[in-house]
Amino acid sequence: DGGITQSPKYLFRKEGQNVTLSCEQNLNHDAMYWYRQDPGQGLRLIYYSQIVNDFQKGDIAEGYSVSREKKESFPLTVTSAQKNPTAFYLCASRGTDLLPQHFGDGTRLSIL
Amino acid sequence: GQQLNQSPQSMFIQEGEDVSMNCTSSSIFNTWLWYKQDPGEGPVLLIALYKAGELTSNGRLTAQFGITRKDSFLNISASIPSDVGIYFCAGQGGGSNYKLTFGKGTLLTVNP
Repeated sequence: DGGITQSPKYLFRKEGQNVTLSCEQNLNHDAMYWYRQDPGQGLRLIYYSQIVNDFQKGDIAEGYSVSREKKESFPLTVTSAQKNPTAFYLCASRGTDLLPQHFGDGTRLSIL
Repeated sequence: GQQLNQSPQSMFIQEGEDVSMNCTSSSIFNTWLWYKQDPGEGPVLLIALYKAGELTSNGRLTAQFGITRKDSFLNISASIPSDVGIYFCAGQGGGSNYKLTFGKGTLLTVNP
């Protein structure tokens, strides 16, 4: 089935550690997005990429990094510089310009 | 980053009742989207609206794109227990990146 796969479902980070969240899509979508969701808040954009080897900062990029080496993959690294990383992270992708974004099932990151 | 004003924040209703929620913005959007999120899952697209004044239905759901392009509402008729979840509105502007701005969500609880 076509879709967006995020892994792992749950992730734990130790203090000072970098962790990488995986996002893979087999929808042949050009654009991919990473959002952070905190309780009682809407989704906030971390980074987005409209094409391979190109990405832009969203509204809350500090403490995060991304890469887009392949069309189907857009991994997010939560670095030790992100002091409050506990959240639900959602990846999304979009096909042609007018089509809406579709989401993966998320990764919940917690601090040990 | 900008957020939409989504209301109400939460609703507690009896099965069979109708529900209405809305979003307003100080900015114009070219597209309005409505998503539903179940606990621990990613948002799922319910309805997409592309034209000011557009009224679109999807089963028991009806949504409208406000004529001023600054607001949208979602109605759910004859609610059922599986309607429980968080409903998000999202506005998509123009330009070249099609970034989404999300409301903070409406938590719907349906009592059987």
